[in-house]
Amino acid sequence: QSVLTQPPSVSAAPGQKVTISCSGSSSNIGNNYVSWYQQLPGTAPKLLIYDNNKRPSGIPDRFSGSKSGTSAALGITGLQTGDEADYYCGTWDTSPSALFGGGTKLTVL
Amino acid sequence: QLQLQESGPGLVKPSETLSLTCTVSGASISSSNYYWGWIRQPPGKGLEWIGNIFYTGSTYYNPSLKSRVTISINTSQNQFSLRLRSVTAADTAVYYCASRDGPPRLENSFDYWGQGALVTVSS
Repeated sequence: QSVLTQPPSVSAAPGQKVTISCSGSSSNIGNNYVSWYQQLPGTAPKLLIYDNNKRPSGIPDRFSGSKSGTSAALGITGLQTGDEADYYCGTWDTSPSALFGGGTKLTVL
Repeated sequence: QLQLQESGPGLVKPSETLSLTCTVSGASISSSNYYWGWIRQPPGKGLEWIGNIFYTGSTYYNPSLKSRVTISINTSQNQFSLRLRSVTAADTAVYYCASRDGPPRLENSFDYWGQGALVTVSS
């Protein structure tokens, strides 16, 4: 059971928008930056968002991140079939320890 | 462009030590512009952070693994390594080495990943 809580799955139609949530606490999300990773089947994770809402070079602006209090969210607009993947939130905890959410499987119907 | 490549045995016996090496190309392992980490993923499950090491040699480990883990840097080979002692079947996973291009910070924000190495713990 992960300290960071994500929905196991979300789905939406091509072209639509989806939001994936990540819930934590004051010891992790509440006082640290949040990142988001995309893991396509059979591949290594890829950084999509860092520092809550910044995109690395090459990541399209269809992907966005936000944070409020002890929760964060990843938004994906203009869904494409190629976006089908597992998505993980990540942050630091005061343990000290890096944390990952349990992951959310995105299905593009 | 930074590249990372894991190497090591794909099969380890229970109670023995898992050893993996990550070879870094495109940057110096001693650079203050990067930090290095290990993450694992059991088959069909989510990601689990193992630990980080900074260019100063400072390390941070997952509290649940801390008693069994050592991460170290080999500057002469431009590599960093993972040792996990007393393994069990629960340690079977794909092991990734990863890096962050940025100042050393306590964060979870890896922008470079190796392709991953499957390690199976079985007799």
